[in-house]
Amino acid sequence: GAVVSQHPSRVICKSGTSVKIECRSLDFQATTMFWYRQFPKKSLMLMATSNEGSKATYEQGVEKDKFLINHASLTLSTLTVTSAHPEDSSFYICSATPGTSADTQYFGPGTRLTVL
Amino acid sequence: RKEVEQDPGPFNVPEGATVAFNCTYSNSASQSFFWYRQDCRKEPKLLMSVYSSGNEDGRFTAQLNRASQYISLLIRDSKLSDSATYLCVVNGPGGYQKVTFGTGTKLQVIP
Repeated sequence: GAVVSQHPSRVICKSGTSVKIECRSLDFQATTMFWYRQFPKKSLMLMATSNEGSKATYEQGVEKDKFLINHASLTLSTLTVTSAHPEDSSFYICSATPGTSADTQYFGPGTRLTVL
Repeated sequence: RKEVEQDPGPFNVPEGATVAFNCTYSNSASQSFFWYRQDCRKEPKLLMSVYSSGNEDGRFTAQLNRASQYISLLIRDSKLSDSATYLCVVNGPGGYQKVTFGTGTKLQVIP
């Protein structure tokens, strides 16, 4: 099956620093990648949708200047949490889809961010 | 009304039992429906898609009721390894590719 990797799997940083999370589709080209955030005991919340070569589409309430998304190639999307604060601590998960079909979203293993 | 609603549980069932979860959705224009499984601190994994005619995969059966806007998941002969959170996923609103996750129903299968 299709494999999506995320790096790092876990990161601890100080408040005010920026953190970059990478999402890679390893054996397919991802026309679209999604970034989700999941707080403890809550569901996944879509943050943004990114298509290769174009600007990401952010969900309502998600600050585009704080969560920078770059989808520079068909196999890589990055999420940068700028000036992180403790309330940004969460589980960030990306997913990738090779086409237009919603049922082929493949999820990365997630990145657990802790901001001190 | 939430876009996708699930009973959070937990559902504590003995091994071998049959258990069913329901999920309601608010967008009548939704076309695609899925059940995902998520283990603790792991990413979600697709369990099965839900088709209009219903579908079955081994011990798992999924049904769609468009009139009442809900989908269901039935698990027969529960195994300890079935213990997880089951997420109901519905496509839309906002486009065909976007999906909305329910908050999940936690299942604990007890020996």
